[in-house]
Amino acid sequence: GQQVMQIPQYQHVQEGEDFTTYCNSSTTLSNIQWYKQRPGGHPVFLIQLVKSGEVKKQKRLTFQFGEAKKNSSLHITATQTTDVGTYFCELPEGGNNRKLIWGLGTSLAVNP
Amino acid sequence: DGGITQSPKYLFRKEGQNVTLSCEQNLNHDAMYWYRQDPGQGLRLIYYSQIVNDFQKGDIAEGYSVSREKKESFPLTVTSAQKNPTAFYLCASSARFTSTDTQYFGPGTRLTVL
Repeated sequence: GQQVMQIPQYQHVQEGEDFTTYCNSSTTLSNIQWYKQRPGGHPVFLIQLVKSGEVKKQKRLTFQFGEAKKNSSLHITATQTTDVGTYFCELPEGGNNRKLIWGLGTSLAVNP
Repeated sequence: DGGITQSPKYLFRKEGQNVTLSCEQNLNHDAMYWYRQDPGQGLRLIYYSQIVNDFQKGDIAEGYSVSREKKESFPLTVTSAQKNPTAFYLCASSARFTSTDTQYFGPGTRLTVL
């Protein structure tokens, strides 16, 4: 079956350092979504990527979809304490473009 | 103010009791979902509903039941058959049941079974 790996599981950075989380799939994806969950909160949608090689930016956040559409990354430049939380990727299961599966998330801690 | 509401935020129950978690949305979304999240873990799908009067089991449906009698409501019952019910329960909805429709989450209910 399809395997989804999100790495790293945890990341602890000093405020101002950069941060990257990766989501890797064993199968080619039609699209991928990224969500952020603050401690004690609920997941909030960040972005959707659809096209091969796509790059989207939201202020200090840069999202990339791999050329082969099997992996994606979320990069945060110059982290701030407001970036603390868990970042999840969400993607279609196998060839089923309706059922979704979630990565286990990357938890980011930022030291002020 | 549109959105998804879940109540209560915190819920305590004794072992062996059934408990029903509420989820209401006024976004006019067709699809609704229930997830379970354990500490330090990702989201696991319990049940989903593509449209009113329809629902399907997710990956961990055993010990849970749902109904979808109204478009805006998708209550989840945690039964006494669920062996480890203490968890954070999240309800979500999306316009349609497709991989490209964004899921919107409620604030969640933290259930503790004593």
